[in-house]
Amino acid sequence: AQSVTQLDSQVPVFEEAPVELRCNYSSSVSVYLFWYVQYPNQGLQLLLKYLSGSTLVKGINGFEAEFNKSQTSFHLRKPSVHISDTAEYFCAVSVIGGSNYKLTFGKGTLLTVNP
Amino acid sequence: NAGVTQTPKFRVLKTGQSMTLLCAQDMNHEYMYWYRQDPGMGLRLIHYSVGEGTTAKGEVPDGYNVSRLKKQNFLLGLESAAPSQTSVYFCASTQTGNYGYTFGSGTRLTVV
Repeated sequence: AQSVTQLDSQVPVFEEAPVELRCNYSSSVSVYLFWYVQYPNQGLQLLLKYLSGSTLVKGINGFEAEFNKSQTSFHLRKPSVHISDTAEYFCAVSVIGGSNYKLTFGKGTLLTVNP
Repeated sequence: NAGVTQTPKFRVLKTGQSMTLLCAQDMNHEYMYWYRQDPGMGLRLIHYSVGEGTTAKGEVPDGYNVSRLKKQNFLLGLESAAPSQTSVYFCASTQTGNYGYTFGSGTRLTVV
């Protein structure tokens, strides 16, 4: 079975500051990795995903994440956040070659950007 | 360009009542999923379907039933609602070879 740990449940930052949201995973098999964002009272939207290739993945809205296989981590970063980045962020994994494409999610990190 | 549509968006039920949540997708996706989202718990998989006429249990299936009679629709049923089923329910879908879901906008269910 797979599990995802998001190390911070809440991250408050000031506008224009850098931010890192941490994600670690556990799996006995190889996985693909994802970050989703959920704005207030909305569904989830794919931010970025790592399937293969370069371990640095760029996503929408200036976010990027780096896959580190040895540390089983997939941390999300943004060099300068905006008020509009206030949202909940979810890290997720999916087994490579799985027959059902199930995603296992972390518990989420609430990013609050203050003026 | 509807994507994944969930109905209803909000519902209040009394304990013991039944209801069905509808998820409809217009992308011809094979795979469909029902998740529930609770504060501090992330998203947990209730049931999923890998194709028309198939269903399978997820992580938290107790108290729920599902059906997928048509490829585009995935129904989630609560036969006898309990306060513990108060949650936000999300439907999602994907297709073969596509790792990553399209989500609906959610159904907020309150059981009193």
